[in-house]
Formats: sequence, C-alpha cells, structure tokens
Amino acid sequence: NAGVTQTPKFRVLKTGQSMTLLCAQDMNHEYMYWYRQDPGMGLRLIHYSVGEGTTAKGEVPDGYNVSRLKKQNFLLGLESAAPSQTSVYFCASSLTSGSTDTQYFGPGTRLTVL
Amino acid sequence: SQKIEQNSEALNIQEGKTATLTCNYTNYSPAYLQWYRQDPGRGPVFLLLIRENEKEKRKERLKVTFDTTLKQSLFHITASQPADSATYLCAGSNYQLIWGAGTKLIIKP
Repeated sequence: NAGVTQTPKFRVLKTGQSMTLLCAQDMNHEYMYWYRQDPGMGLRLIHYSVGEGTTAKGEVPDGYNVSRLKKQNFLLGLESAAPSQTSVYFCASSLTSGSTDTQYFGPGTRLTVL
Repeated sequence: SQKIEQNSEALNIQEGKTATLTCNYTNYSPAYLQWYRQDPGRGPVFLLLIRENEKEKRKERLKVTFDTTLKQSLFHITASQPADSATYLCAGSNYQLIWGAGTKLIIKP
C-alpha cells in the first residue's frame, strides 16, 4: 500500500496563476483533509470531505476550492495564487472522523508564490 | 479562541534520559488528545490518542497523560534515543481537531 500520496512535491507559481494539487489514498478511507502548515503555527484545516462527492469548509478556506469526485482522490485548487498562499500543504485521510481516529498524512507539497 | 499551545523552544535531552513534552489547551475542553511525530520534510505520523476519561496511556517507550484539571497533556519518551529526534505535534478535538505548532525534540548522543 502506498498510503497517501501527493502530487507535485514542489511548485513555484507567480501571483495570479492557478494550479491543482492532487491527493490520492489507497486505504479506502471515507474522510479526507487538506491542511496548510506555516512556520510557528499549527496545521490549519482548509477543506475536508466526509465521503465521495462531499466537501466542506475548514478553518481557512478562502482562495481554495476542492473536489472529491472519486473516493480515493481529493483535489485542492488555487484559482488565483497569492503570496500569502506560500506554504506546505498536507493531505490526510482517516477511516472515520479525524477528530477521534488516526489521520494518515501524505508527504506534503511545498508551494511558493512569487 | 480555542487553542493548543506547545513550547516553541526546542527541547534538548541527553540520550537515555526521559524526554517530557507539554501540551496545554485553552478556551475549550477537548474530549480527545492526539500526539503525532513529524520529521523534516515529511508529513505527521500518528503516535497515540488519549481520551479525557483516561488518565494515562502507554505504547512501548511512550507515555501520554491527560489532566483535565490542569488542562494539559504530557508526552514522555523514556530511554530516549537520537532516532527520537523530531518535532512532536499535539492536537485536541471535540468535533474538530485543533493543532499545536509542535515542539522540536533533540536527543544528543
């Protein structure tokens, strides 16, 4: 099992460009999450999904969109990148609610917006 | 606002000693606390989960406590090894996980 994989690992964007981050999991998990991690701060939840075809906003959703068309995939989109979106992005999944269940994380995507 | 606070200063411990990390929560009462390990350039890895009605939980050399009076969780690594060096994250939840910024642990040979 590969667990949780993320594509790409690194990306540099110019302000205003768009991109999509792909997350895939092979554990048949219902719940999937997108976080961002910034220096000196805890992980912050951007969006999450409790099942195929569902998405919900997290703590910091502005400037991001998500889709979960297939159970194993969770896509994070940036429509018009801003320097404030420079961060490390982690995808995670869990069998049941991550509040009470183990979350499995991907290796992260380091995004720089110039 | 609801917060999870961890010591931002790195903790330096001599190999073989017990390392103790602190997690304090404010403005809410999580029913669960989770601890994760994060190595540089990698995603967090789950270590332990403790419920509010559990005072203590152990896994091999790891021990976690949950003190609802002090609003605090302590994470202990006994017989520490250089391979234990990493950043340790605490997260508390009722219906949503709130994460601390983590404490960097350095185990010196």
